[in-house]
Amino acid sequence: EAGVTQFPSHSVIEKGQTVTLRCDPISGHDNLYWYRRVMGKEIKFLLHFVKESKQDESGMPNNRFLAERTGGTYSTLKVQPAELEDSGVYFCASSQWRTQNYGYTFGSGTRLTVV
Amino acid sequence: AQSVTQLGSHVSVSEGALVLLRCNYSSSVPPYLFWYVQYPNQGLQLLLKYTTGATLVKGINGFEAEFKKSETSFHLTKPSAHMSDAAEYFCAVNPYNQGGKLIFGQGTELSVKP
Repeated sequence: EAGVTQFPSHSVIEKGQTVTLRCDPISGHDNLYWYRRVMGKEIKFLLHFVKESKQDESGMPNNRFLAERTGGTYSTLKVQPAELEDSGVYFCASSQWRTQNYGYTFGSGTRLTVV
Repeated sequence: AQSVTQLGSHVSVSEGALVLLRCNYSSSVPPYLFWYVQYPNQGLQLLLKYTTGATLVKGINGFEAEFKKSETSFHLTKPSAHMSDAAEYFCAVNPYNQGGKLIFGQGTELSVKP
């Protein structure tokens, strides 16, 4: 079974530019989550999709961030325009079940550097 | 708001020594509790979890953790460290009635000396 795939693995962009991160969840997993770890801080929840619907987007930092999951398959997270404080590692995770009884599977993350 | 505290951002042990990584959470209602591990250039991997039932939970690679409600703790242990255990470890909670959202601690980098 293929795992959760994220790309790119690394991205370096200039302040003010746009970047789109992609996450391919495990096939059949309805639940998809985005998390972010800013340097030196804890991993923080951004949002949760159930299929194509946003179940919880309480962690999205501001309106420069836009997440989509068209057709309930892969998801994208766009940052526009990027700021220096957006640098960090963005993780995606997926699970078949909504509750945490079973844990979820994380991708390897995208390391975003804004210069 | 819920929070998770991992005591010590860096822990160093000798190979063969006991590994103890501490985790405390703040919650009036016991949440689901997890430990994840991240090896270099890899994603987060679930080590073990506590949901209900037995409070001593065994995970992969010889790790175990004990849920202590009275202490709001979920410390991770391994009797004998191996060089391959060097990684970053994260304690996380899934608060009651908040869907699948995880709240993480700041992580503990474990180094194992030969």
